[in-house]
Amino acid sequence: DAGVIQSPRHEVTEMGQEVTLRCKPISGHNSLFWYRQTMMRGLELLIYFNNNVPIDDSGMPEDRFSAKMPNASFSTLKIQPSEPRDSAVYFCASSFEGEQYFGPGTRLTVT
Amino acid sequence: AQSVAQPEDQVNVAEGNPLTVKCTYSVSGNPYLFWYVQYPNRGLQFLLKYITGDNLVKGSYGFEAEFNKSQTSFHLKKPSALVSDSALYFCATYMDSNYQLIWGAGTKLIIKP
Repeated sequence: DAGVIQSPRHEVTEMGQEVTLRCKPISGHNSLFWYRQTMMRGLELLIYFNNNVPIDDSGMPEDRFSAKMPNASFSTLKIQPSEPRDSAVYFCASSFEGEQYFGPGTRLTVT
Repeated sequence: AQSVAQPEDQVNVAEGNPLTVKCTYSVSGNPYLFWYVQYPNRGLQFLLKYITGDNLVKGSYGFEAEFNKSQTSFHLKKPSALVSDSALYFCATYMDSNYQLIWGAGTKLIIKP
């Protein structure tokens, strides 16, 4: 298996633009997690899906953030409109009732 | 509520010396404990886990961790540090009733030649 795949790896956008981050989990995994990592706040869980259903989205910072998982092999995290304070590395991870496996992350810069 | 704590922001070790990265836990019931490593500009990588059984758990890259119930600790160890071990290390445990992980704040490990 190729592991968790994320795209794009880097994204630079201007404030106010819509940003969509994509994730393909490991085949057979039934849980998917979106995290954000910054120097100031460390690693934060944004949202957690189990069997494609959002279980806990209490970490989503505000209504500008939304996430979907239309099927077991794909998820998106959307920010609309983006703001400079959204600049961070966004990780997707997947698991099957055990340890989580992380993707390489998307480094988002909002100018 | 479940939690883990990493009391050291940074640990400095000379190459070839043994290293320890500390983690303490507070969980109800049986603890499920994990260690992850994050190299610069990379995602987190799973190192090892404790579910049940032997208190000494062996993992990737020569790392091991010792589960100590009386001290509620799960310290990460390696007998001989390499410069390439320099990275950010995270301890984690499960939330109460699902598979979300509760993360420690991370410890930066610096191995000096």
